[in-house]
Amino acid sequence: GEEVAQTPKHLVRGEGQKAKLYCAPIKGHSYVFWYQQVLKNEFKFLISFQNENVFDETGMPKERFSAKCLPNSPCSLEIQATKLEDSAVYFCASSQFRRDTVNYGYTFGSGTRLTVV
Amino acid sequence: GQQLNQSPQSMFIQEGEDVSMNCTSSSIFNTWLWYKQDPGEGPVLLIALYKAGELTSNGRLTAQFGITRKDSFLNISASIPSDVGIYFCASMDKIIFGKGTRLHILP
Repeated sequence: GEEVAQTPKHLVRGEGQKAKLYCAPIKGHSYVFWYQQVLKNEFKFLISFQNENVFDETGMPKERFSAKCLPNSPCSLEIQATKLEDSAVYFCASSQFRRDTVNYGYTFGSGTRLTVV
Repeated sequence: GQQLNQSPQSMFIQEGEDVSMNCTSSSIFNTWLWYKQDPGEGPVLLIALYKAGELTSNGRLTAQFGITRKDSFLNISASIPSDVGIYFCASMDKIIFGKGTRLHILP
């Protein structure tokens, strides 16, 4: 499709529970990015993929966060043992081009709002 | 770490007024991107800038890539109600966003 599809739109988890978020990039886009947007609107980069390979994971909290992009499946972001501070909107974006070429073409999904209670 | 500093944080203007916001960095960047985010939605790309000094328009929006490569501004002319939202500058060199400028339009 021509949009980045994120599911679910809203997710509520008790502290300590697992949360799994999904992202279907635009068909033909080989780069996928995950961002976390917290209450003060700040975007924090988490991880990016080129196809199924991790491209950049410098923003990823290693202990409880993991992500995958497997062939023929939506990409996923999983948080083990959620904490209150994980409450945020998680955005996925996809791109056809590498970040160092002229046309970035990043398209964002509508986000998943995770609330940890 | 590297940061993009956006100002102002918020703006209250009358419909029809022109708007100007900017973004600065202590580091040199090779790209500047301007996004708009509506409530409950993801950011949408407005304008992308790739060359120092470049001035690019998209309808009523105009953005410039500063000659020093450390700043950019976004102008909106003759604002309308649907311009309300949060505007973010971003650089994909290091995949970072500014903290946003929230635009309010007074009736």
